[in-house]
Parts: sequence; structure tokens; C-alpha cells
Amino acid sequence: QKEVEQDPGPLSVPEGAIVSLNCTYSNSAFQYFMWYRQYSRKGPELLMYTYSSGNKEDGRFTAQVDKSSKYISLFIRDSQPSDSATYLCAMSALLTGGGNKLTFGTGTQLKVEL
Amino acid sequence: EPEVTQTPSHQVTQMGQEVILRCVPISNHLYFYWYRQILGQKVEFLVSFYNNEISEKSEIFDDQFSVERPDGSNFTLKIRSTKLEDSAMYFCASTTNTDTQYFGPGTRLTVL
Repeated sequence: QKEVEQDPGPLSVPEGAIVSLNCTYSNSAFQYFMWYRQYSRKGPELLMYTYSSGNKEDGRFTAQVDKSSKYISLFIRDSQPSDSATYLCAMSALLTGGGNKLTFGTGTQLKVEL
Repeated sequence: EPEVTQTPSHQVTQMGQEVILRCVPISNHLYFYWYRQILGQKVEFLVSFYNNEISEKSEIFDDQFSVERPDGSNFTLKIRSTKLEDSAMYFCASTTNTDTQYFGPGTRLTVL
């Protein structure tokens, strides 16, 4: 079983739609949960991160974590063509020597069409 | 807003040559990382660096790889003898704490 699983898509939605992106994980050591946005051949851009189970909202974005089910989601409301990108979930585990290590999903490619 | 920078944006090299990829992390950050992403695949952890030493490395990070923070600002990844399979995007990341990481724009390494 992979540590982090993410549906690669591609996902195509009309402008204004609500988008739901999801990841599941198997490692109970993961403590922080992040969503990054990546444009083609660019670096991952941090969108949101959260620690506890529940919802966290930032503008049109809502991150949801359910630690009991090992499931995280990102919702995008009123999606725009500029939201078209690959969305990566990432999970963080502490390193005994200091710092943390991120384990990424494969990314979901999203296209928002006019 | 401060950001992680990386140079060069694209590096082309011959198999067997040494390459050095450079990163300038965000200035007050304490933890530094390298990740790579082979085209069409997921982002993979290579190494973490804290307090002037490696805190963890992945199986990918073999003896051909090394990292260094030669001064107070730069963080480098060296590949001693490049292989075709080292062709990938290499991302540097940094953070002040252990909750999340901020990534640079990446260096695309092409090994011929």
C-alpha cells in the first residue's frame, strides 16, 4: 500500500464549479497535512496546511482533514480558469535528527474551463 | 515576500560530469531540503539538513550526492558523476520549523 494515494485526474470542470480534491494515507506518523499548487515545470506553491482534524478555510479554499479515516480533502469554491494547475497533497513526518520530511501524492491535474 | 531562489534554472550536462545546484533559502529559515521530481512523477524527498549536518537522507541520496551550506546564505546539492537517470527537476525547500516547507522554482537538470 502506498503511503499517500491521490487520484491523478485529469479533472475538468466549468468555471464557477466546486472542486473536490482528495488524498488518502496509511502512515499514522504524519502530523501536518499540506496542499501545494504546481504549474508546469515550476516549484510547488504552498496553498494551505493544517495539523488537526477538521476544516480550515482561506478565501475560496477549504482544507479538510479526517485523521481517523486517514483522508484529506481540498475544496475550491467558485473555481476560476487561473486555478488550472496540478494540486499536490503532502504529508509531514518529524525527523529525529531535526526537521521534517514531506511525502507527496502524485498530484491531481485540474483544468477549469470557461 | 521572501522566497527561495535557485540557480541555474536549467542545467545541461554530459553523463559522468559533476554538477552543483545552488539554492538561497529564506533568510531566517533553519531547515533545508532537496527534493526531486522526474518528469511525470511525484516529488520525492532527497535530503534534509539542519544545524550544519544531514538529518536524514533517502535511498536515492547515495554516495554520488552531497550537500553543503558553505556560507550563511547558500545551500548546494552536488552530484559527483551524473547518470542519465539523474535527469529531473530539483527543488530546494526551507522552513523555520517543522510544520511545512517553502519551495524554490527548481532547477531542471538534463543529463545527456
